[in-house]
Amino acid sequence: GQQLNQSPQSMFIQEGEDVSMNCTSSSIFNTWLWYKQDPGEGPVLLIALYKAGELTSNGRLTAQFGITRKDSFLNISASIPSDVGIYFCAGQLIDYKLSFGAGTTVTVRA
Amino acid sequence: EPEVTQTPSHQVTQMGQEVILRCVPISNHLYFYWYRQILGQKVEFLVSFYNNEISEKSEIFDDQFSVERPDGSNFTLKIRSTKLEDSAMYFCASSSQGNTEAFFGQGTRLTVV
Repeated sequence: GQQLNQSPQSMFIQEGEDVSMNCTSSSIFNTWLWYKQDPGEGPVLLIALYKAGELTSNGRLTAQFGITRKDSFLNISASIPSDVGIYFCAGQLIDYKLSFGAGTTVTVRA
Repeated sequence: EPEVTQTPSHQVTQMGQEVILRCVPISNHLYFYWYRQILGQKVEFLVSFYNNEISEKSEIFDDQFSVERPDGSNFTLKIRSTKLEDSAMYFCASSSQGNTEAFFGQGTRLTVV
């Protein structure tokens, strides 16, 4: 399957700071999705992106579908303690299966 | 808000035993998936299912695995003879179309001893 490189692997941030993470792939995707996973829970969809260049916001979250269709980033503005968790990017082609990145673990210092 | 539900939340089984993991996808969704996540690793695709048949499966989904939609609401994953390395979180997901966002259940933690 497609390999996604997600970075950074982990980050410690101060409450109120902005967070940025990204995913890159050697091959193109038709859809990019960002999920958040809390311990022992399933991935929860944050943002879905369907068009190259698309920039979408969901509250304090902003994500973009790269123009080359091989990358995407997620920004979290003004982080709060409940932003703690693991964030996964996922890419999707016409075969509909999702290829996941390895995740970015976010820890917020109060 | 509609959600994907999975049962049981945790299953412990002896090596070599058969297990069936159950899922109830979101009711108007047509595409169903199983993924797994080994502890500390990323989520991996197992199989997709549409129109009562498998549409794609990964190399993980070997002859020991099977899926079934026995009625209009349930979607099951069966592992015929479990191995230690099958221990993982198994997530069911569903989507309304193949190219729309997939929603995940809470997962079943399978522990093979």
